[in-house]
This record gives sequence, C-alpha cells and structure tokens, in this order.
Amino acid sequence: AQSVTQLGSHVSVSEGALVLLRCNYSSSVPPYLFWYVQYPNQGLQLLLKYTSAATLVKGINGFEAEFKKSETSFHLTKPSAHMSDAAEYFCAVTEGGSTLGRLYFGRGTQLTVWP
Amino acid sequence: DTAVSQTPKYLVTQMGNDKSIKCEQNLGHDTMYWYKQDSKKFLKIMFSYNNKELIINETVPNRFSPKSPDKAHLNLHINSLELGDSAVYFCASSQFEFRTGGTFYNEQFFGPGTRLTVL
Repeated sequence: AQSVTQLGSHVSVSEGALVLLRCNYSSSVPPYLFWYVQYPNQGLQLLLKYTSAATLVKGINGFEAEFKKSETSFHLTKPSAHMSDAAEYFCAVTEGGSTLGRLYFGRGTQLTVWP
Repeated sequence: DTAVSQTPKYLVTQMGNDKSIKCEQNLGHDTMYWYKQDSKKFLKIMFSYNNKELIINETVPNRFSPKSPDKAHLNLHINSLELGDSAVYFCASSQFEFRTGGTFYNEQFFGPGTRLTVL
C-alpha cells in the first residue's frame, strides 16, 4: 500500500529564502505524485504533479519538485519565498491500475514566511 | 466559473440531526470523491463515484451515505450526527486518463470545503 511521509509539520523561512518541503513516499509500483497547497479556509490547489515523465517538475508560483526513485522522495522547493507562499502544503501519492484514483496524503507541512 | 462547488460552506448542527452536503463540478469529469479533513488537517478519502457508480467506499460509518444523481453531482448525507463528525469535508473530481500499459493517473480538483460543526 502507498503512504506518504512529510518531514516537518512546520517550516519557517524568511522572505527571499529557499523553501524546502520534504516528502517521502512508499509504493509497490511506480507512483504518481502530487503537491497541493491549501490557503486558510480554502480548498486544495494543485501545485505540480509527477506522472512518470521528466523527474524535475515545475509547477505554479515558482515551485518545483524532483522525483528521486532511489531515495523515494519528491521534495518541493522554491528558490525565494514570498509572503504569499504561507500556507499548508500536502504531498500525495497514487498508483495507477486498481487503486481507482485513491490519493494518499501526507499530514501536511505548514509554511510560515517571515518578513 | 467555479470548477468544483460545495454547499453549504459552513454547517453547524446539533448531535443526532441529519444533514446533507452538496457538490457539483462543471469540468465534465467522470469521477468524484469525498474527503474528510480532521482537526489536525489530515485528509482521508471516504467515497468515490465513477459515472454515478460507487467505486471506493472506505471504512466509513454507514451513517454516511453518498448519492450521485448524475456524474456532475455527488452529495453526502449524514444521519444521526456525532461530535466526532466535526471536520471539513472536501469534494473533488477528476477525469481518468488511460496510458500505455493500462495505467493512469488522476489529477484531482478540489472544492472549497464544508466546515461541519456538531454541537
């Protein structure tokens, strides 16, 4: 079965600093991986996705993530944090085939950006 | 245009009541989901429908009954509400895309959520 571990439930950075949110997954078959962002009192918005094409994936708002099979990781990065990046970030995994689209979410990482 | 919409946004009710949450998507997707987000923000799938047919039914109490009148709508009815049902409920939709080898991925689009508070 799939699972996702997000290391660090809270990450704080200064505006302009590098953002690194960690995600490790376990999957018995090649996974499809997603990062979603949730702003306060809102739904989830897709930031980016990995679907077995390029291992370095670029998303919206300057975020990118790299799929590393050997490390079973899909960490999210952004070179320079902005105040508007403050939100909850969720990593999620799904497999193809019989899982019928089940998304398994990590427990989320709250990103705080200091001025 | 709102892609996935839910009503109501907030729902406050007493224990023992019955309530419904409605979800509609205008993306033309064939699959819809209900997720529950608990107070610690953990998201867990509850149900999924594909073309009005139930395809995922996690270990959810049978007080929860989803209904899909058509593929653009998926409603959630909850009987005999309990304190532990307090959470944010998210609806989502996706379109299966089949790829070589029979595998697929699905990118899910989420609604704004319904915050249910049971007193």
